Amino acid sequence: SAVISQKPSRDICQRGTSLTIQCQVDSQVTMMFWYRQQPGQSLTLIATANQGSEATYESGFVIDKFPISRPNLTFSTLTVSNMSPEDSSIYLCSVGGQGAFYTEAFFGQGTRLTVV
Amino acid sequence: SQQGEEDPQALSIQEGENATMNCSYKTSINNLQWYRQNSGRGLVHLILIRSNEREKHSGRLRVTLDTSKKSSSLLITASRAADTASYFCATALNYGGSQGNLIFGKGTKLSVKP
Repeated sequence: SAVISQKPSRDICQRGTSLTIQCQVDSQVTMMFWYRQQPGQSLTLIATANQGSEATYESGFVIDKFPISRPNLTFSTLTVSNMSPEDSSIYLCSVGGQGAFYTEAFFGQGTRLTVV
Repeated sequence: SQQGEEDPQALSIQEGENATMNCSYKTSINNLQWYRQNSGRGLVHLILIRSNEREKHSGRLRVTLDTSKKSSSLLITASRAADTASYFCATALNYGGSQGNLIFGKGTKLSVKP
C-alpha cells in the first residue's frame, strides 16, 4: 500500500495567478499520476509523471498550463498556471493502478481549488 | 475518453436496504476496480476483480464481472448512512507492456438515509 500526503487541501485563488500542489508518497514509486475532477464529474487524467524524464500529458492538457515536477521517487508537484474560473476543480495525485500487475491505485486527499 | 459508464447516476435508499450500481465499459480489460469518494475527497479502493474472475466478495460488498457483456455490478448489502458517497468503477486496459492507467467512469452518487 501507499500513503500519499497532498497539500494544500483547498485554496481560493484569484484569476491569473498560479497554484502549486504537492504530493509526497511514503514509498518510492516510478509513476505518479495527476487527475482533475471537475464539479460533479469523473476523474480525468492530466499527466503521468516519471522521475527523471518529462511528464507525459493527455490530450487537452499542456505543459505550459500544468507544469509538473518530479525531482525524486517520492515527490511530485503540479502547478495550475494563469488560472481562470474554469480551472475550479479537485486535483488529485495517485500512484499504482498500472504496471505489469495492474494493482489498486492510491490517492491523495485531493486539492479543492476555487478560482474567483 | 470515458471507458466506464455507471448507472444509475444517483441512488437514494433507506438504511438497511441493498444498493446496486452498474458499470459498463467498451474495450478489453485486464481488471476492473471500484472506488469510493466521500464529499469530493480522495478516492479509496474498494475491490478489484480480474478479467478471468466472475464474482468477488469483500465484507458487505459483492462485485460481479461479465466480460461478454462488458459490464460489472457492485452490490452493497445492508447499507448504512456511512455508505453515503460517490462510487466509481475504473478499468485497467489490457496493455501488453508496463504502461497504462486507470480509466474512471462517471460515478454513482449513493445517498443512504437513516
